[in-house]
Amino acid sequence: QSALTQPASVSGSPGQSITISCTGTSSDVGGYKYVSWYQQHPGKAPKLVIYEVSLRPSGVSNRFSGSKSGNTASLTISGLQAEDEADYYCTSYTGSSTLYVFGTGTKVTVL
Amino acid sequence: QLQLVESGGGVAQPGRSLRLSCVASGFSFSAYTMHWVRQAPGKGLEWVSVTSSDGSNKYYADSVKGRFTISRDNSKNTLYLQMNSLRREDTAVYYCARDHAPSITPQSFFAPWGQGTLVIVSS
Repeated sequence: QSALTQPASVSGSPGQSITISCTGTSSDVGGYKYVSWYQQHPGKAPKLVIYEVSLRPSGVSNRFSGSKSGNTASLTISGLQAEDEADYYCTSYTGSSTLYVFGTGTKVTVL
Repeated sequence: QLQLVESGGGVAQPGRSLRLSCVASGFSFSAYTMHWVRQAPGKGLEWVSVTSSDGSNKYYADSVKGRFTISRDNSKNTLYLQMNSLRREDTAVYYCARDHAPSITPQSFFAPWGQGTLVIVSS
């Protein structure tokens, strides 16, 4: 099971919106409505920011939103803030022997 | 508050074994599916294993199948990962993470996570 493909880096200025893509196949991202996204600051544990493609956990800013089209899921961060600078990972159920697969990760830089 | 605390990491020689523990507090541990996820130094996240709330169902990533065993003791609020036949590529920070349901489902997501414990496999 190969890792989902994410851009290595995305950057934006404060206040701007950015979108991170997560591309898989019809066997994972395209086959299920179960993509989640995690934010990880350096040296810290990951934190859930989006689950089931577009749902936001309690306590997560509404500046984070998710969507999916075909085999590609997306995370959008609007009104970019300095605190959003972190690594972001998507993950999907695969239905194969390795049940879940993560994306390659995207480093978000706030300019 | 919800808390997961991992321990048991350290340095092990290739071919040797280690057992990781994850102690849960602040929620009803026996009601939730639990996962192990790892992250090699400077690399991305990799899902390792999952166990249902009662320990009756378990799954593993192909990369660890046959070498790692997940288990849990609900009376001690503790999740375990027994790692045998360790390889250099098993070097990583190992995180435990809670799921949202008692059974293993496609809807799984991981929240919260522990702070991780570092395993280094080196001779």
